[in-house]
Amino acid sequence: DIQMTQSPSSLSASVGDTVTITCQASQGISDFLNWYQQKAGKAPQLLIYDASNLDTGVPSRFSGSGYGTHFTFTISSLQPEDLGTYYCQQYENFPLTFGGGTKVEIK
Amino acid sequence: HLQLQESGPGLVKPSETLSLTCNVSGASISSSSYYWDWIRQPPGKGLEWIGTIYYRGSTYYNPSLESRVTISADMSRNHFSLKLSSVTAADTAVYYCARRRVVATSNQYFDSWGQGTLVTVSS
Repeated sequence: DIQMTQSPSSLSASVGDTVTITCQASQGISDFLNWYQQKAGKAPQLLIYDASNLDTGVPSRFSGSGYGTHFTFTISSLQPEDLGTYYCQQYENFPLTFGGGTKVEIK
Repeated sequence: HLQLQESGPGLVKPSETLSLTCNVSGASISSSSYYWDWIRQPPGKGLEWIGTIYYRGSTYYNPSLESRVTISADMSRNHFSLKLSSVTAADTAVYYCARRRVVATSNQYFDSWGQGTLVTVSS
């Protein structure tokens, strides 16, 4: 299985801050990497696919980059509604695997 | 408007079989552009992919669950199902069904999810 290691596991930031989350794959996955946001009690929602492509309707303050084993997810100006947990997910190989999640809190 | 809705018992006894159905409306599970997946999330924990089914009937399962999992689809009813046998307390989780877009080698992602259903394994 490809292990996806996310860091940090949690963070607290102020409105307007730039927030960065990293995701490390245990082997190369090209750009076969997606990012999801999960709000409390809700299903995850796609934000970014193929490492850097913003899904339709997703605000431009969200962005992603990376290739191979190292990936970065950034929120450029944190908003109160960005509260939630963020997950990376690889689809290079079965089984599909997710990172452990990063819980984002607002100070 | 695409909707996925999980249904099934919220309580299952240890050693029994968990059975859930995902009813799909607004899209056909016979589409060649999508796979249909099950994902679960234990309370307070992360996401675990269970498995997937394609309209041609092919299935792929997480090896960690493969000996206990069966995913099937009923094209006439436009729904797909999950069976997980010999459950234990470790199988307590919110179970989600989801549609996974697969247009090419790249461009594969979960683009629609059900609301999730909590299944508790307890006697």
